[in-house]
Amino acid sequence: SYVLTQPPSVSVAPGQTARITCGGDNIGTKSVHWYQQKPGQAPVLVVYDDSARPSGIPGRFSGSNSGNTAALTISRVEAGDEADYYCQVWDSNSDHHVFGIGTKVTVL
Amino acid sequence: DVQLVESGGGLVQPGGSLRLSCAASGFTFSGFWMTWVRQAPGKGLEWVASVRRDGSEEDYVDAVKGRFTISRDNAKNLLFLQMNSLRVEDTAVYYCARDSVAARPGNLDYWGQGTLVTVSS
Repeated sequence: SYVLTQPPSVSVAPGQTARITCGGDNIGTKSVHWYQQKPGQAPVLVVYDDSARPSGIPGRFSGSNSGNTAALTISRVEAGDEADYYCQVWDSNSDHHVFGIGTKVTVL
Repeated sequence: DVQLVESGGGLVQPGGSLRLSCAASGFTFSGFWMTWVRQAPGKGLEWVASVRRDGSEEDYVDAVKGRFTISRDNAKNLLFLQMNSLRVEDTAVYYCARDSVAARPGNLDYWGQGTLVTVSS
């Protein structure tokens, strides 16, 4: 089955840039989606189809996808961005949604 | 506004059954794939099952195949998850999520607040 690899944690100072990677075999050929989840809350879609943003999501959130790595970049990080972030794809070979293990972003 | 409200969670013994429901409003329910995702305590997100817009196709994670059934009632804007032969490892918060309008599933753009299922003796 298809596997997505994320780092367990990323730490970043306020105002700096956080980059969260999501590795997968030829992931560049798939559409990658990213979710933010704060403690006790449901996940929220922050980037879809590699780099598109839903309405209401700040422009500080951006995505990219090429080769074997997709990434979510959070610019000008704020304390409120502290959360778990998950990447996700639909694997058409197995007809399965696949999530990464999640990356905990800590704002120092 | 799009709203998804889950219900039906609770405490059940191993081997027991539960039926989760998700009431959808604020959008054309029959136009979207729908999906269940779960999250065990302190763990990450795990996809459980998805159902096509007209209910003609269902997909499941291997861990629940043969035990869980996803279904929908487009006339009543309801999504269901029938869970049989429950195991301790099925303990999780179960989320209902709106999936794609396309021919295949895609991103999950709206989520319910979740309902807790606890499997324990």
